[in-house]
Amino acid sequence: QSVLTQPPSASGTPGQRVTISCSGSSSNIGRGTVNWYQQVPGTAPKLLIYRDSQRPSGVPDRFSGSKSGPSASLAISGLQSEDEADYYCAAWDDSLNGYVFGTGTKVTVL
Amino acid sequence: EVQLVESGGGLVQPGGSLRLSCTASGFTFRTYWMNWVRQAPGKGLEWVANINQDGSDKSFVDSVKGRFTMSRDNAKNSLYLQMNSLRAEDTAIYYCVRDLSGGSCYWGQGILVTVSS
Repeated sequence: QSVLTQPPSASGTPGQRVTISCSGSSSNIGRGTVNWYQQVPGTAPKLLIYRDSQRPSGVPDRFSGSKSGPSASLAISGLQSEDEADYYCAAWDDSLNGYVFGTGTKVTVL
Repeated sequence: EVQLVESGGGLVQPGGSLRLSCTASGFTFRTYWMNWVRQAPGKGLEWVANINQDGSDKSFVDSVKGRFTMSRDNAKNSLYLQMNSLRAEDTAIYYCVRDLSGGSCYWGQGILVTVSS
């Protein structure tokens, strides 16, 4: 049972901006940092954003992350067809003493 | 090149045991926290367990406590997940993950575990 809530789906046309929310609590997002992962169907997830807003090398700058209190967001600017994937937020939860993932958001490029 | 290769998966009956292994290469294995994350068919990601650099600190998700153990052998660049008393709900792809919560996060390709009679 995920403790981080994301919308099940999001969509946009090529070039549009899409935003995905991730709602948590004071024991997870509100206390620590958030990572975002991208999973193209049939493949392993990969790191997209770490420490709320940092991009690993190789991740395009059209991906950006932000956080405010117990919530975080991932934005994809200039949506491209290869961005069709599932996206997960995640954070450490001090109450559960474990790492928790969001429910996942499927992004569709129309 | 960083590589994490999982092995040991397969079909097991309910109540049975399985030991997953993850062999690391291309980086200094002994300096990283390591994790197991699983994904049931058609479902989202679920963190299973983690272990610190020297194996002295481990955490597990509640659903596997008392059934799964985790260990590492830094001399062999290897991570292990011993799974006992397996249940149908443990059926999933199991991923070996380096530095899950940090900026050096890297995922293996995963190994399928199926618990069924």
